[in-house]
Amino acid sequence: GQNIDQPTEMTATEGAIVQINCTYQTSGFNGLFWYQQHAGEAPTFLSYNVLDGLEEKGRFSSFLSRSKGYSYLLLKELQMKDSASYLCAVLDSNYQLIWGAGTKLIIKP
Amino acid sequence: NAGVTQTPKFRVLKTGQSMTLLCAQDMNHEYMYWYRQDPGMGLRLIHYSVGEGTTAKGEVPDGYNVSRLKKQNFLLGLESAAPSQTSVYFCASSRGGDNQPQHFGDGTRLSIL
Repeated sequence: GQNIDQPTEMTATEGAIVQINCTYQTSGFNGLFWYQQHAGEAPTFLSYNVLDGLEEKGRFSSFLSRSKGYSYLLLKELQMKDSASYLCAVLDSNYQLIWGAGTKLIIKP
Repeated sequence: NAGVTQTPKFRVLKTGQSMTLLCAQDMNHEYMYWYRQDPGMGLRLIHYSVGEGTTAKGEVPDGYNVSRLKKQNFLLGLESAAPSQTSVYFCASSRGGDNQPQHFGDGTRLSIL
């Protein structure tokens, strides 16, 4: 079966750095997406990785290791508005997105 | 700049009733999707469409039907609602292609009593 694992919940302090991990086992791999979802709102696109390595986009960076079936989202200089759920999704061999259950990130002052 | 618009935003149904959820996008996207989101689970694909007049089943299609008569609209129907269909439903659209992100509507919160 196909499986994506993320921690259910994480807590971090305003101004700090947090790393949200995602491991996956899917039938094929055609890319990995990270989305942000504030409570009661729609998911919004953050990043896309298809090659190994780090992609940096402002305060957010995303890393991929295809051989390890592993990705992480790194958030720097945390702000209160970063409190949200972060969803990891993998594009499988059929070009279907398989979604993780999401990691709820709580930011404390 | 509307993006993806879903109607209604909230609805309460009784078991056995039918209804249609509407999704409209103004980005000229080829691909459209219907998902459901339940607590503790990832988004699950119900049905999707890769172009006007086409539809295909996703991971959890049972109890739902869809139609894509116009490129900008994707309708999700529940013929005989069941309590297990209580969920938040999201519509999304994309250009298609590997690295194209999906753009989501604000969701429809549906309760079946």
